[in-house]
Amino acid sequence: DGGITQSPKYLFRKEGQNVTLSCEQNLNHDAMYWYRQDPGQGLRLIYYSQIVNDFQKGDIAEGYSVSREKKESFPLTVTSAQKNPTAFYLCASSTPGSGNTIYFGEGSWLTVV
Amino acid sequence: QKEVEQNSGPLSVPEGAIASLNCTYSDRGSQSFFWYRQYSGKSPELIMFIYSNGDKEDGRFTAQLNKASQYVSLLIRDSQPSDSATYLCAALFSGGYQKVTFGTGTKLQVIP
Repeated sequence: DGGITQSPKYLFRKEGQNVTLSCEQNLNHDAMYWYRQDPGQGLRLIYYSQIVNDFQKGDIAEGYSVSREKKESFPLTVTSAQKNPTAFYLCASSTPGSGNTIYFGEGSWLTVV
Repeated sequence: QKEVEQNSGPLSVPEGAIASLNCTYSDRGSQSFFWYRQYSGKSPELIMFIYSNGDKEDGRFTAQLNKASQYVSLLIRDSQPSDSATYLCAALFSGGYQKVTFGTGTKLQVIP
């Protein structure tokens, strides 16, 4: 089945650690996104990429890094510089062929311990 | 700052009633608008999108767009308890790059 796969679903991070969230899509979508959602809050854009080997900062990029080496993959690294990383992280993708509709993966929960 | 505004709710409606969810946006250059449903602890799922003025119907859902008033709404007919969720409105801004901005969502409670 076509879709967006995020892993892991739950992740615990110790203070000072970097962690990487995986996102893979087999929808052949050009654009990919990372959003952060805090409890009871809306979605905030961290990074987005419209083509391979190119990505742009979103509204809250500080403390995060991404790469886009393959069209299918857009991993997000939460670095130790992100002081409050506990949140729900959503990977998404879109393509002009679907009206730029954004489709989401199932999300990853990150907790700092 | 391009914004999408929604009333956070909760909006409570009795089972079988029509639920009306509203959204305003700030950028007149917005092209397309999306409604997502998000259950607690889950990722958003697309309900429908609209890009032309007027109404668009899909089953029990009707999206309404008024670009002159910069207003989008979602009507849910015959509301069911399973419709209880947070509804996110989103707008696609064009110009330079395609960016979708989300509202903070309206929580809907359908009372049996």
